[in-house]
Amino acid sequence: AQKVTQAQTEISVVEKEDVTLDCVYETRDTTYYLFWYKQPPSGELVFLIRRNSFDEQNEISGRYSWNFQKSTSSFNFTITASQVVDSAVYFCALLMEYGNKLVFGAGTILRVKS
Amino acid sequence: GAVVSQHPSRVICKSGTSVKIECRSLDFQATTMFWYRQFPKQSLMLMATSNEGSKATYEQGVEKDKFLINHASLTLSTLTVTSAHPEDSSFYICSARAGISARSNYGYTFGSGTRLTVV
Repeated sequence: AQKVTQAQTEISVVEKEDVTLDCVYETRDTTYYLFWYKQPPSGELVFLIRRNSFDEQNEISGRYSWNFQKSTSSFNFTITASQVVDSAVYFCALLMEYGNKLVFGAGTILRVKS
Repeated sequence: GAVVSQHPSRVICKSGTSVKIECRSLDFQATTMFWYRQFPKQSLMLMATSNEGSKATYEQGVEKDKFLINHASLTLSTLTVTSAHPEDSSFYICSARAGISARSNYGYTFGSGTRLTVV
């Protein structure tokens, strides 16, 4: 069975702090895809990144970075120098190679205070 | 690219009436569309998967007759909440995927969601 665990229900930080959102996944498949989405208060889901299981390179995009480690089945997301606009719910999700359904984690609420 | 438009963004309806929510892929053909429901402070719960021209596949526990899904074209899927009741009040989000495999460049694109309130 596939499962995504986001153990952090809610995180509060002060602006300019770095913050890491954890994501641990479970799957028996060797090929799969991992996603991160941001859901601001307005409700829409904003795609942040997709990572293929065969590509363990970490990725950096501006203040965002992702650390993918197959050995620990983790795909963590770090925001550097957080800003108030980063306040949102962040979801990690898993998709099997031949699957059709995204499996979402429970989400982590991030609050960035000024 | 890869934009999904969902309408309406908010709707308030009376108990017993039906409400239709539209989900359109604007710049790509969506072979598969997904409908999710999200309760406050909770994750997205997949309700059903629809492929163009065929019947939707519902997840366990989702009432087919209550939540009617139509995917008549490659760019449009609709969710109709029939005989709505206050417990149907929720945030509904659609998602569309292009291509026939998970290797599609588009991945999954989400609509902006519809907040349904049944009074």
